[in-house]
Parts: sequence; C-alpha cells; structure tokens
Amino acid sequence: TQLLEQSPQFLSIQEGENLTVYCNSSSVFSSLQWYRQEPGEGPVLLVTVVTGGEVKKLKRLTFQFGDARKDSSLHITAAQPGDTGLYLCAFSPMNYGGSQGNLIFGKGTKLSVKP
Amino acid sequence: DTGVSQNPRHKITKRGQNVTFRCDPISEHNRLYWYRQTLGQGPEFLTYFQNEAQLEKSRLLSDRFSAERPKGSFSTLEIQRTEQGDSAMYLCASRWDTGELFFGEGSRLTVL
Repeated sequence: TQLLEQSPQFLSIQEGENLTVYCNSSSVFSSLQWYRQEPGEGPVLLVTVVTGGEVKKLKRLTFQFGDARKDSSLHITAAQPGDTGLYLCAFSPMNYGGSQGNLIFGKGTKLSVKP
Repeated sequence: DTGVSQNPRHKITKRGQNVTFRCDPISEHNRLYWYRQTLGQGPEFLTYFQNEAQLEKSRLLSDRFSAERPKGSFSTLEIQRTEQGDSAMYLCASRWDTGELFFGEGSRLTVL
C-alpha cells in the first residue's frame, strides 16, 4: 500500500504552460515536504508545509497543504525547461511511532517541459 | 564543495560480486541515511545512523547488505553477492538532528 499517492505519474508540457501536481493520502500528516530531483542527482528540498490550508510560494511554484492535512498540491506557473524533473512529496513517520526522521516518499511526478 | 559526496557515481558489476559505496556527509551533520531508488519509484529508506550508531534498518536491507559509520563521519554501504535486483541508485543523505535533509548525487549500481 502506497501511503502517498502522487498524480499524474508523468506530465509533458510546452514551455509557458501552467500545471498542477498532487500528493494525496488517507492519513493525516503533521507536515509534508516537496522535493525536486533532476536526472542523475539526489532530491533537493523545495518546501515544507505544516499548517492545514497553508499556501507557500517559491517564485513560480505555489504549494498548498489541504485543510485536513491529508493532501497537498504543487502549481507551477509559466513552466520553463529548467523545471523538468521528478517532483516528490514525502512525510516523516517520526510522529507516527516511526523512526527518528527518515522520510517516506511518494513515487513522484515526472515532469518534462519542452522548449 | 561542502555538500554530501558519494562515490563511485557509477558501478557496473557482475552478479555475485561484492560492491562498496562510500558516503561523506556534510561535516557537522550527526545523522546519516541510506536510501535506494529504482526506476519509477521514490527513494526507499534503507538504514539510519546517529553518529556512529546504526539505529534503524529497513526490511529492504537483507543479510547481504551491511552499512557502517565507524567514526561517526563517513559511511560505507556494502552489498555482498550482488543480484540483478540490486540494480538501483543508492542515495546517501545527512542532516543535523531534525533539520533539513541534504542528499548526495547517488551511486548508480548496475548488476549484469
């Protein structure tokens, strides 16, 4: 059973388009993290969302945490080829009797932005 | 560059051989993690060190896998008698306590 469901699995768009990717679960989380992973590299943290309903912006990226803290979305405005990569959401099971700070990742959304 | 460093970046080996990967974390970080990532999947937790103590191992870490962090600095991950199913990217990450987790670039293993 996948604790975090990410959709879509793949997304191919043209430069300048807008897009939204989703991270859903039946569980309630105290926080969720979003990472971007470029080919041949390790994931890099983009943002941590903590409060239900929270919206965080990082340049053209807008992150939202659902009111019930079960889901999150990432919206990219005017996508650029440099946005290409694998977008992963993750949570720490530490607050659920899990280990000290390891992360559980979703499978990710693989985004390709064509010039 | 003071980021997390992993080597080798790529390793091709024949089935049955042993391989070892090394991770040099960010110097002041006390926690070090190993993850495995296969195609189409997110990273999966393997094991975790706090300083030199290995505090948790995933069920994914079979008896053929062993990890060490002898002086609480660098870490090694050894896979004995490799199998084709071990082909994956092995990622190392480090952090100070519950701070931001920083990943290395990974070591890609191909078992022929």
